[in-house]
Amino acid sequence: ETGVTQTPRHLVMGMTNKKSLKCEQHLGHNAMYWYKQSAKKPLELMFVYNFKEQTENNSVPSRFSPECPNSSHLFLHLHTLQPEDSALYLCASSQRAQAVGSGANVLTFGAGSRLTVL
Amino acid sequence: SQELEQSPQSLIVQEGKNLTINCTSSKTLYGLYWYKQKYGEGLIFLMMLQKGGEEKSHEKITAKLDEKKQQSSLHITASQPSHAGIYLCGADTGNQFYFGTGTSLTVIP
Repeated sequence: ETGVTQTPRHLVMGMTNKKSLKCEQHLGHNAMYWYKQSAKKPLELMFVYNFKEQTENNSVPSRFSPECPNSSHLFLHLHTLQPEDSALYLCASSQRAQAVGSGANVLTFGAGSRLTVL
Repeated sequence: SQELEQSPQSLIVQEGKNLTINCTSSKTLYGLYWYKQKYGEGLIFLMMLQKGGEEKSHEKITAKLDEKKQQSSLHITASQPSHAGIYLCGADTGNQFYFGTGTSLTVIP
């Protein structure tokens, strides 16, 4: 148990379904992240939230919609996905220093949500 | 964008052997982080290096960061089956946190 909990662990959905992935952190961190991990590809950073504000959106298709209602919860809403979106989706949190490079930024990861799109 | 190249991509070693994994950045890093991932699971933090020339050890794993803060190595001494997994280096650029391509390690008993 890392302090970052992701649900569900496994999800199978059709291309027309709407589903959501949930991430909850119990570490008091101020930043949360969504990553996508596909087979034989590097981890792809999707979204970053600092102090509940989205600071990064790395050209992610609009069929992925993040939501961060508070500093402890992060959602990834999914709709009209494609089979190539099948992957392991990882959530992480960290305590970011205010000034860039002024301190450590150790990310703590959840166990991941394995998504299969049929 | 920040790019982190790792080598080798995969490694198969006999139990008890030493091994080294390298991570190279195209830019100077604020900090270099090493993680380990069991297949299909989340990443577990191993070590962080921030200062040029810094070296850290934990049990049988040693990580070093070069003086220019652009290259890091992870060295495992007397490998064990429990060391098997994917090793990833990561870098904080201030706004984003990037990961390297990963090195898959298999340890044969």
